[in-house]
Amino acid sequence: AQSVSQHNHHVILSEAASLELGCNYSYGGTVNLFWYVQYPGQHLQLLLKYFSGDPLVKGIKGFEAEFIKSKFSFNLRKPSVQWSDTAEYFCAVRPNRDDKIIFGKGTRLHILP
Amino acid sequence: EAGVVQSPRYKIIEKKQPVAFWCNPISGHNTLYWYLQNLGQGPELLIRYENEEAVDDSQLPKDRFSAERLKGVDSTLKIQPAELGDSAVYLCASSRTGTGLYEQYFGPGTRLTVT
Repeated sequence: AQSVSQHNHHVILSEAASLELGCNYSYGGTVNLFWYVQYPGQHLQLLLKYFSGDPLVKGIKGFEAEFIKSKFSFNLRKPSVQWSDTAEYFCAVRPNRDDKIIFGKGTRLHILP
Repeated sequence: EAGVVQSPRYKIIEKKQPVAFWCNPISGHNTLYWYLQNLGQGPELLIRYENEEAVDDSQLPKDRFSAERLKGVDSTLKIQPAELGDSAVYLCASSRTGTGLYEQYFGPGTRLTVT
């Protein structure tokens, strides 16, 4: 079945640690890829997106993600996390011929001050 | 620019009762989505509108769920009758159509508790 997998459900890091959240999808063909973030008590908001071109995508707040087509992956990274990065992060995929966006189950990130 | 507005933010009802959620998208956004988010899960699409037309309602449980977007602006999602398993957060999102950017803007959601 077509799916989006986020392998880490809960991640706890100390401030200044490096972050990498995994995301894999099972769709063949062209895809659009997204990372959304939900800070405590706030709306889901777009962190970054990949449509085409450079597979290394820069987002807001120092986040970046790399699309590796051969691995069907779109991992989210940040070199040095801050306490304010505590949030839930959702990877999402839009198969290009389908307007529907499929979300992963989310990763809850907790940064220790 | 004002964001996506949803009301109510919280709703507690007894099973078998009806409930309705309202969404007002960002001005100028022709596409409107209703999502269901269960605890510990990502959002799952229930229905998508392009203007007033429901273009994807394949995941909407039509025996008890209904939705409308009569004038192509705000929308209402209804459950009648509600079941215990309907307890979840109901999210509304909107986006521009045809821009190629396909960024969805989400509202705060309505947290439904069915007792």
